[in-house]
Amino acid sequence: TQLLEQSPQFLSIQEGENLTVYCNSSSVFSSLQWYRQEPGEGPVLLVTVVTGGEVKKLKRLTFQFGDARKDSSLHITAAQPGDTGLYLCAGEGAGGTSYGKLTFGQGTILTVHP
Amino acid sequence: KAGVTQTPRYLIKTRGQQVTLSCSPISGHRSVSWYQQTPGQGLQFLFEYFSETQRNKGNFPGRFSGRQFSNSRSEMNVSTLELGDSALYLCASTPGLAGDTGELFFGEGSRLTVL
Repeated sequence: TQLLEQSPQFLSIQEGENLTVYCNSSSVFSSLQWYRQEPGEGPVLLVTVVTGGEVKKLKRLTFQFGDARKDSSLHITAAQPGDTGLYLCAGEGAGGTSYGKLTFGQGTILTVHP
Repeated sequence: KAGVTQTPRYLIKTRGQQVTLSCSPISGHRSVSWYQQTPGQGLQFLFEYFSETQRNKGNFPGRFSGRQFSNSRSEMNVSTLELGDSALYLCASTPGLAGDTGELFFGEGSRLTVL
C-alpha cells in the first residue's frame, strides 16, 4: 500500500510570511499532483510534477519533486489571506496506468491571517 | 464548459438505510472516479469507471458499489449505512484517454451524514 505523509497538518501564519509544506513517501510515484480545496468545494489542481528534481513555479508558489520521485514540497512566498485553504498532495503510482486512482496525503490546513 | 455536477449536495440518513449518489462528468470526459473524504482518513479512492466498466477499485467493503451509464454519468450506492460512512463523497472526471494528464476534475461533493 502506498502512503503519502504530509506535514504539517495545520499551519497558521501571518500575511507576508513564507511557508513550506512537505509530502513524503517510501514509494516511488510516476507523478505528484498538488491540489487546493476550499470549504464546500472539491479539490482543484495547482500543479503536476513528473520528473525527478523538477521545480515548477506558479506565481508565489514553488513546487519541487524529489530526485527519487518519493517526495515533494510546496513553498509559498509572502502568503496572503487568499491562500487560506486545504492543500493536498496526491501521487500517481509508478506501476502503470492508475485509472483514476491517486494516493492522497492527509492534507495541510493553511490559515493566513491579515 | 460545465464542471462536474454531483447530486444531492447534502443528505441525512439513518443507520441501516441505503443511499445513491449521482455524478455527471464534464462533457466529453469518459472516466469517473469516486473518493471518500473524512477528517481522519483524508481522501480515499473508492472506484473508477470508464465506458460503463469498472477499471479500478479501492479497499472498501462490498456495501459500496457503483455503476456508469452510456452517457458517462455515474452513480454510487452505499447499502446498510453505518455511522462511519458519514463523509464527503467526491466524484472526479477525466477524459480517460491514453496520454491524458491524469488531472482529476472534482465536483463539489455530496455530504452524507448517517445518524
